[in-house]
Amino acid sequence: DVQLTQSPSSLSASVGDRVTITCRASQNINNYLNWYQHKPGEAPKLLIYASFTLQNGVPSRFSGSGSGTDFTLTISSLQPEDFATYYCQQSFVFPPTTFGQGTKLDVK
Amino acid sequence: QVQLVESGGGVVQPGTSLRLTCATSGVTFRHYGFHWVRQAPGKGLEWVAVISFDGKTEHYAESVKGRFIISRDNSLNTVHLQMNSLGAEDTALYYCVKDRIQLWSPIFVLENWGQGALVTVSS
Repeated sequence: DVQLTQSPSSLSASVGDRVTITCRASQNINNYLNWYQHKPGEAPKLLIYASFTLQNGVPSRFSGSGSGTDFTLTISSLQPEDFATYYCQQSFVFPPTTFGQGTKLDVK
Repeated sequence: QVQLVESGGGVVQPGTSLRLTCATSGVTFRHYGFHWVRQAPGKGLEWVAVISFDGKTEHYAESVKGRFIISRDNSLNTVHLQMNSLGAEDTALYYCVKDRIQLWSPIFVLENWGQGALVTVSS
């Protein structure tokens, strides 16, 4: 199985901050990397697919980059509604499709 | 608007079975693959199973292979997860998820998620 390691596992930030989350794959996954946002009590939400393509309706302050084994999710200017847990997910090698362990983003 | 509504969760004893159902609306059901993804208490997301748009292809996580069966009814627009030989490790919130890609593709993009059905396995 492909292991995805996110860093950091938790992060404290303030509204307006620029935030970057990293996802590292244990082997090459081309650009088959997606990002999700998950808030307590809500369904997870697709943010970015294929490494950098923004899902419809997702604010442009979210962006993704990377290919191969190293990927990043960037929030250019953090908004109050962005505090959540973020997951990366790969599907280049399946089954199974795998998730990172998550990055919890909370208020500083 | 795509809606996925899970049902069938509950509290069951170890070794027993449970069947989850995902009712869908707002989507051309027969064009898309569907997944089940779970989240154990305090843990991250774990993919469980996928079924192709036509029901002919299924894949499972190793942790559930041989115990869980995913199926679909294209006439009722529903997806099911039959869970057998349940153990404490299966305690989780189970999400039904629609793939973004039409027809069959191994590029799994989990586009639309339900609110989840809670399964608790306890004696």
